[in-house]
Amino acid sequence: GAVVSQHPSWVICKSGTSVKIECRSLDFQATTMFWYRQFPKQSLMLMATSNEGSKATYEQGVEKDKFLINHASLTLSTLTVTSAHPEDSSFYICSALRDRGFEQYFGPGTRLTVT
Amino acid sequence: AQTVTQSQPEMSVQEAETVTLSCTYDTSESDYYLFWYKQPPSRQMILVIRQEAYKQQNATENRFSVNFQKAAKSFSLKISDSQLGDAAMYFCAYKEGGSEKLVFGKGTKLTVNP
Repeated sequence: GAVVSQHPSWVICKSGTSVKIECRSLDFQATTMFWYRQFPKQSLMLMATSNEGSKATYEQGVEKDKFLINHASLTLSTLTVTSAHPEDSSFYICSALRDRGFEQYFGPGTRLTVT
Repeated sequence: AQTVTQSQPEMSVQEAETVTLSCTYDTSESDYYLFWYKQPPSRQMILVIRQEAYKQQNATENRFSVNFQKAAKSFSLKISDSQLGDAAMYFCAYKEGGSEKLVFGKGTKLTVNP
């Protein structure tokens, strides 16, 4: 149990367009989901925390208007990168926290390439 | 703010040998959790082992064990009988008891030589 999926696994988009990444908890309800960004050979950087039905909480330095997060249900959170630019190219990973749990379950990640 | 330090950017070990990865953390809290995550080339983060700070006994999961030294704020991971599939990035992570966030170290790249 505790499987988290992400879609798509890899996306290429043109500069100036927007791209949406989905994160789903497949076999449990996730009251809280997290979005991370990982540059090559670096650690995970927390971008934001999202709770179902409320606005996401962004980490310092993360542009809220560029990285739109919607936690529409207890099993789905989406990250939309708006007006993407080449510097937004990165690996984006989501994780989900089971209700009353303390362990985060990670998705397989999404590689975003902006050309 | 809590910090997690992994002082070994890279480590290597011979297959079937034992290797220890280091992690230190800084906190003034008494209620917290520590984790070791593995990230293979597929990039999927996999939980290897976790330790609750209130537990004195070191956690063990098959070939993986930790040496948790609370006073020294040290949390090292020992991998016994290393296998080729253990090759990956290993991240140490900290979670405060009252928080949902994980704080990650910079990672240690482990190479397993046949």
